[in-house]
Amino acid sequence: EAQVTQNPRYLITVTGKKLTVTCSQNMNHEYMSWYRQDPGLGLRQIYYSMNVEVTDKGDVPEGYKVSRKEKRNFPLILESPSPNQTSLYFCASSFGGLKTGELFFGEGSRLTVL
Amino acid sequence: KQEVTQIPAALSVPEGENLVLNCSFTDSAIYNLQWFRQDPGKGLTSLLLIQSSQREQTSGRLNASLDKSSGRSTLYIAASQPGDSATYLCAVPLYNNAGNMLTFGGGTRLMVKP
Repeated sequence: EAQVTQNPRYLITVTGKKLTVTCSQNMNHEYMSWYRQDPGLGLRQIYYSMNVEVTDKGDVPEGYKVSRKEKRNFPLILESPSPNQTSLYFCASSFGGLKTGELFFGEGSRLTVL
Repeated sequence: KQEVTQIPAALSVPEGENLVLNCSFTDSAIYNLQWFRQDPGKGLTSLLLIQSSQREQTSGRLNASLDKSSGRSTLYIAASQPGDSATYLCAVPLYNNAGNMLTFGGGTRLMVKP
């Protein structure tokens, strides 16, 4: 089944404790991206990647890192999480990028930073 | 900067009604426009993708239209059902970012009452 898989789905952590949210897609998509969704602010893009070893910042990259060492995986890294990073995070992927391709989303990862 | 607006923010209708959701965008230089559905606590599901050269797309009871010159798209849902209750979002890729970043509208929360 074609899908985008995120882990963990739910996480409660404390300020400053490094964490990684994994994202994997099985559709051989070149384009992958991360979003966060907050009440009243909607969906905002954090980082995106056009292909292996090619990443770029979105609207709200501060406090986040990403890597794209393999085509299927695009982990989101919070080196030193803070309470303002409490949010619902989504990973998404697309074949050929957003100019032509539909965007497929994962189920989301709800992160709480205390 | 592209701004995407969805009106109304919330809509409640009785089952069986035909309804129209609106999406407007400020910059008509778009590659495409995509409509998504989001169920509570879930990821986004792509409903329809309209390329800039197209006027409309249809999938089952859904029909999306695009008028680039006026900066508008509508999502028409025929014979609404309680299962259609969800939040509907539209999104456009940013033209000045080579289409690699997506701007989302705030969404319309739809409730279809039995």
